[in-house]
Amino acid sequence: KNQVEQSPQSLIILEGKNCTLQCNYTVSPFSNLRWYKQDTGRGPVSLTIMTFSENTKSNGRYTATLDADTKQSSLHITASQLSDSASYICVVTRNTNAGKSTFGDGTTLTVKP
Amino acid sequence: NAGVTQTPKFRILKIGQSMTLQCTQDMNHNYMYWYRQDPGMGLKLIYYSVGAGITDKGEVPNGYNVSRSTTEDFPLRLELAAPSQTSVYFCASNFGQTQPQHFGDGTRLSIL
Repeated sequence: KNQVEQSPQSLIILEGKNCTLQCNYTVSPFSNLRWYKQDTGRGPVSLTIMTFSENTKSNGRYTATLDADTKQSSLHITASQLSDSASYICVVTRNTNAGKSTFGDGTTLTVKP
Repeated sequence: NAGVTQTPKFRILKIGQSMTLQCTQDMNHNYMYWYRQDPGMGLKLIYYSVGAGITDKGEVPNGYNVSRSTTEDFPLRLELAAPSQTSVYFCASNFGQTQPQHFGDGTRLSIL
């Protein structure tokens, strides 16, 4: 079964600290993996997208890594800000059908002052 | 740039009523999608379209219908609203499966 598991479910950190979110998947055949940020009451916004041959991708203070062999990805947030408080969603797309992406349930990050 | 626009933002329906959720995008994307997001859960694909006149079912299509007569518009129709369809509905679009999806801000639908 094609699944995407994210951990932790929720996380609270202090402003200025770093954190790492995890994503494990069983989706196959693999096309790409994306990380999205979803603010409360808004639609998800793309942070990074990685294909099979890419093992790291950065977007400002966000750095995503991918290990396609172990089917694991992580999202590292550096020097967190209050505006980083959001849900972070891992999405894996199969290399078969354009419409078939599997979404994780997300990690809810709260950054406190 | 408007991006992906969804209307209405909120709606309350009675059981058995019907309605259409509107979605339009101004980025000339070929691919468009409809998802539902239940509280604490990941997005589930309802229907998608790879171009005008072409639609296909996603994971959870029962109780919904779509049409794609133009590149810009991808409306989602609920024919007989049921309480299980209470959810937040997101429309998204992109140029293809290797490109990030652009999402609207959602329609919050309650069926009582």
